[in-house]
Amino acid sequence: GAGVSQSPSNKVTEKGKDVELRCDPISGHTALYWYRQSLGQGLEFLIYFQGNSAPDKSGLPSDRFSAERTGGSVSTLTIQRTQQEDSAVYLCASSLEASGSWNEQYFGPGTRLTVT
Amino acid sequence: KQEVTQIPAALSVPEGENLVLNCSFTDSAIYNLQWFRQDPGKGLTSLLLIQSSQREQTSGRLNASLDKSSGRSTLYIAASQPGDSATYLCAVEGNTGKLIFGQGTTLQVKP
Repeated sequence: GAGVSQSPSNKVTEKGKDVELRCDPISGHTALYWYRQSLGQGLEFLIYFQGNSAPDKSGLPSDRFSAERTGGSVSTLTIQRTQQEDSAVYLCASSLEASGSWNEQYFGPGTRLTVT
Repeated sequence: KQEVTQIPAALSVPEGENLVLNCSFTDSAIYNLQWFRQDPGKGLTSLLLIQSSQREQTSGRLNASLDKSSGRSTLYIAASQPGDSATYLCAVEGNTGKLIFGQGTTLQVKP
């Protein structure tokens, strides 16, 4: 595809359940990012991957959150034992490389997660 | 710690007006600054990226400026149209690769 895609577009889950969110970056982009957008917090960084390097997990809010990127392409963000405060829109972005003046990030449409 | 502030939080203008959105950041050690547009319920669309060595970028009716030393950027929209109604976000990238976002300016252009 031409852009970053995410699935599902919407997810409603019960408190305590685990959820998996998927991101397909733009082909050829080596860097992949996850952000979260919630009403009270705005847009905040969660985690990013660059090639085969260890991911930067500094934005993950708790150990219930984890992410992996298989084969340097598709990424999955997993939230275990979901809580109501996890309700937000989860956005994925990709870029040609991880950092630098030319590092333009392209965003997917997001997954809206609602924890009931 | 980098902090990004956008003023105003909301703006309503009649169609045809020129307008300026403001963004300020506390740490001038940035690689670049991006302006994004977000429509309700949608993802982010990149509008302009200004590298740290640049002073401005232009795309159509949009012009973004950057004054790194003072920690400021402006997004100028010429001849505004109702289709410009959206939330505009600015974000800066430092040496960590992650974007730090402002809270956004919600723009309404009235026909």
